[in-house]
Amino acid sequence: NAGVTQTPKFRVLKTGQSMTLLCAQDMNHEYMYWYRQDPGMGLRLIHYSVGEGTTAKGEVPDGYNVSRLKKQNFLLGLESAAPSQTSVYFCASSYPPAELFFGEGSRLTVL
Amino acid sequence: GENVEQHPSTLSVQEGDSAVIKCTYSDSASNYFPWYKQELGKGPQLIIDIRSNVGEKKDQRIAVTLNKTAKHFSLHITETQPEDSAVYFCAASRGNNNDMRFGAGTRLTVKP
Repeated sequence: NAGVTQTPKFRVLKTGQSMTLLCAQDMNHEYMYWYRQDPGMGLRLIHYSVGEGTTAKGEVPDGYNVSRLKKQNFLLGLESAAPSQTSVYFCASSYPPAELFFGEGSRLTVL
Repeated sequence: GENVEQHPSTLSVQEGDSAVIKCTYSDSASNYFPWYKQELGKGPQLIIDIRSNVGEKKDQRIAVTLNKTAKHFSLHITETQPEDSAVYFCAASRGNNNDMRFGAGTRLTVKP
């Protein structure tokens, strides 16, 4: 009963490097989301997808790109990492758009 | 857009006492108010939610109240237990997760 799985769980990058976070869900959910969590700021939506092949911007999309080539996968990319992107990233899924099911998070540090 | 404020940021109670966390929201069109619990090293998990056509909802030791006129809602935990220790987030939306806004979180510590 995996639910939502995120990889990697930890990553350290240097400024300017690129990386991709992978999210996989096995609940056949249509909707998937990427959030970032920073101290004192709660969860903020980066990008989301309402179905395979679709993506849309959330509250804080700058510096990130996403792709949803398969229904079960949602990828978050950083093309040129900046220290301001140091955060804990959470993927979530839902169907219908109500309860969010979160992964366990990916902690990213950008030096 | 929606803005959600949550208080207090930290709360410490003795086991068996009650805990109350309060949130206010700014968008009068918001109609869905969930509460998530995040344990250390885990992702948030929904514990209770309420929609705007209901004033109160209860699930065992957890209850949520909503005052639409004042635009605030609260989480009440009775007979607290050490396993209730976690960070709690409130949120508000118009019914779509893409417009949902979260509060900053409350770290609840239940002392045995």
